[in-house]
Amino acid sequence: NAGVTQTPKFQVLKTGQSMTLQCAQDMNHEYMSWYRQDPGMGLRLIHYSVGAGITDQGEVPNGYNVSRSTTEDFPLRLLSAAPSQTSVYFCASRGHGDRGGYGYTFGSGTRLTVV
Amino acid sequence: KNEVEQSPQNLTAQEGEFITINCSYSVGISALHWLQQHPGGGIVSLFMLSSGKKKHGRLIATINIQEKHSSLHITASHPRDSAVYICAGPNFGNEKLTFGTGTRLTIIP
Repeated sequence: NAGVTQTPKFQVLKTGQSMTLQCAQDMNHEYMSWYRQDPGMGLRLIHYSVGAGITDQGEVPNGYNVSRSTTEDFPLRLLSAAPSQTSVYFCASRGHGDRGGYGYTFGSGTRLTVV
Repeated sequence: KNEVEQSPQNLTAQEGEFITINCSYSVGISALHWLQQHPGGGIVSLFMLSSGKKKHGRLIATINIQEKHSSLHITASHPRDSAVYICAGPNFGNEKLTFGTGTRLTIIP
């Protein structure tokens, strides 16, 4: 059971480039979400999904796109990278039946630098 | 927007001490999450609770829905408990979490 797999772990982009951060889970979880973590600001929700084909915006969605074509995968696309998107990105998933459990399973994170 | 505040921001204690970290939120919620972020950056979910109290090993989480307050306790603290502890509550929907900025805990041997 791999849990939540995020790739890549590190990435350097030039301003204006686009890229996709991959997130996959093998736990058949309904809920998946993307967060960014910046120093002194805590985690902030970018986008989330409550099931295949359903996505919604979080607190800081501008500059990012998501799609959820399968239960397992929830990629995050940076359309035109900007230095303000330099951050550590985390993907997480949660099963519908986890109300009595521990909540979210997090990926190991992607450290993105935009120069 | 649900405002989530944690205290203290930093906490240093001796090994074996009883630790309490507090979390207050502004909007009524259905469940509150406690997370642990290791020095290496990985995040682990500790608890998701909607009422009362939960215990997992030396960790205990409590929540008072009426007072909009939750606490995380660590008994018999150990240096391996050194980490950042983060609480989070839903913001207009169970999956739209708002996070506190975390409590950095350091346990000295």
